[in-house]
Amino acid sequence: GNSVTQMEGPVTLSEEAFLTINCTYTATGYPSLFWYVQYPGEGLQLLLKATKADDKGSNKGFEATYRKETTSFHLEKGSVQVSDSAVYFCALSGGSNYKLTFGKGTLLTVNP
Amino acid sequence: DAGITQSPRYKITETGRQVTLMCHQTWSHSYMFWYRQDLGHGLRLIYYSAAADITDKGEVPDGYVVSRSKTENFPLTLESATRSQTSVYFCASSETGNQPQHFGDGTRLSIL
Repeated sequence: GNSVTQMEGPVTLSEEAFLTINCTYTATGYPSLFWYVQYPGEGLQLLLKATKADDKGSNKGFEATYRKETTSFHLEKGSVQVSDSAVYFCALSGGSNYKLTFGKGTLLTVNP
Repeated sequence: DAGITQSPRYKITETGRQVTLMCHQTWSHSYMFWYRQDLGHGLRLIYYSAAADITDKGEVPDGYVVSRSKTENFPLTLESATRSQTSVYFCASSETGNQPQHFGDGTRLSIL
């Protein structure tokens, strides 16, 4: 079946540091890949997506590239802000029921 | 406002009680989903629905019942609550099966 593995946190960075959160996946066929962000007390919000190999999703300074050869979809941001503190989830969608398969989430804390 | 809303936001109940969590979306999305979020497990799919009157089991359906008589509503019922069902429950919707899912703010359910 489908599965997503993302780096375990927590991750603590200083403001303006570079961020990488690793995500690898196992899936049959050609899944779509997503990063979701969850701020405290809120639901998940779509951060970015990629639907085919070599696609780069980007939003709010975050980027991730769909790498089929390494089955990866790592999240990066060049300069994090305190407001980026949240839990980040990597997810894939594939198969007949379109359900999302999530990684376990990575807590990011950015200190001023 | 358009969107997806869950109610209640917080609920405390006792084992053996029946409890219903409500989910309402104003986009007329075809697909709706129920997930539970637990520490160490990420988000897991309970049930999903591809259209009104069409529902199917997800990864962890035992102990839950859903219905979808109208496109905009997708209630989740715990027929006889157990402590293991203490969790945060998220409802989501998507326009089509392979479009990104939009999440509600969640219901935090505690079963004593």
